[in-house]
Amino acid sequence: EVQLVESGGGLVQPGGSLRLSCAASGFTFSSYWMSWVRQAPGKGLEWVANIKQDGSEKYYVDSVKGRFTISRDNAKNSLYLQMNSLRAEDTAVYYCARDYIAAAGTGWFDPWGQGTLVTVSS
Amino acid sequence: EIVMTQSPATLSVSPGERATLSCRASQSVSSNLAWYQQKPGQAPRLLIYGASTRATGIPARFSGSGSGTEFTLTISSLQSEDFAVYYCQQYNNWRRTFGQGTKVEIK
Repeated sequence: EVQLVESGGGLVQPGGSLRLSCAASGFTFSSYWMSWVRQAPGKGLEWVANIKQDGSEKYYVDSVKGRFTISRDNAKNSLYLQMNSLRAEDTAVYYCARDYIAAAGTGWFDPWGQGTLVTVSS
Repeated sequence: EIVMTQSPATLSVSPGERATLSCRASQSVSSNLAWYQQKPGQAPRLLIYGASTRATGIPARFSGSGSGTEFTLTISSLQSEDFAVYYCQQYNNWRRTFGQGTKVEIK
C-alpha cells in the first residue's frame, strides 16, 4: 500500500523556523517527483513546492521563495520542507503528495499524506 | 498564474440525484485538469485526471468532461459517501493552481 506520513508540524512564533518530514512507503520513492501542498484553515489548496527524483530541480510558489527549501533523501524514502522566516499567513495543514508528471511537464497529485498542521502565532 | 473558478460554491443535492460541478480556467489548460474529493478532516483524493480519466478505484458514477477553459465533474447518482468538497486543479504549467472548491451537501 502506498503511504505518505507527514510529521514535524506545530506552533511556532512569527519569524521562526520549522522542518517538516514526510516518510514514504509502498512505492519506489526515488522514481517520483514529490510535492508539498498546503491548506489554510477553512480555505482551499495551494501547491507550495516540488522536487525532481534526484533533487536536481526544485520549484516553489512565489510566496515562499527564499524562505522555504524542499529536499529529499532517497536512501531514507523521505521528503522534507525547511520553513524559515515563518509568517502568520503560512498557517496551514501541509500535505506531502506524490507528483505525477504528465506530458505537460507537470501533473496531478496522488496520493496525499494525512497532513501536518503548522500554526504561526505569537 | 492561471486562475481556476468553480461554481457553484455550494450544491444541495438529494441522495440518488445527479450533481454537476463546473470549473473554469482563466486561460486554456487543454485537457490538463484534475478533480479531487475532500471529506472533513481528510486529505484530498484524486478522482479524475486528463479532464476525463478516472483514477484507480474511482466508481463509474464519477465522470469528467471538457477541455480548454470549461470543465465539468458529474456524479450520476449521489451516494451518502459522496457528500464532500470537490476541487479542480490545472497542470498546464509548473505553477499548478486549484479552484476554491464546491461543497456538495445533502438537500
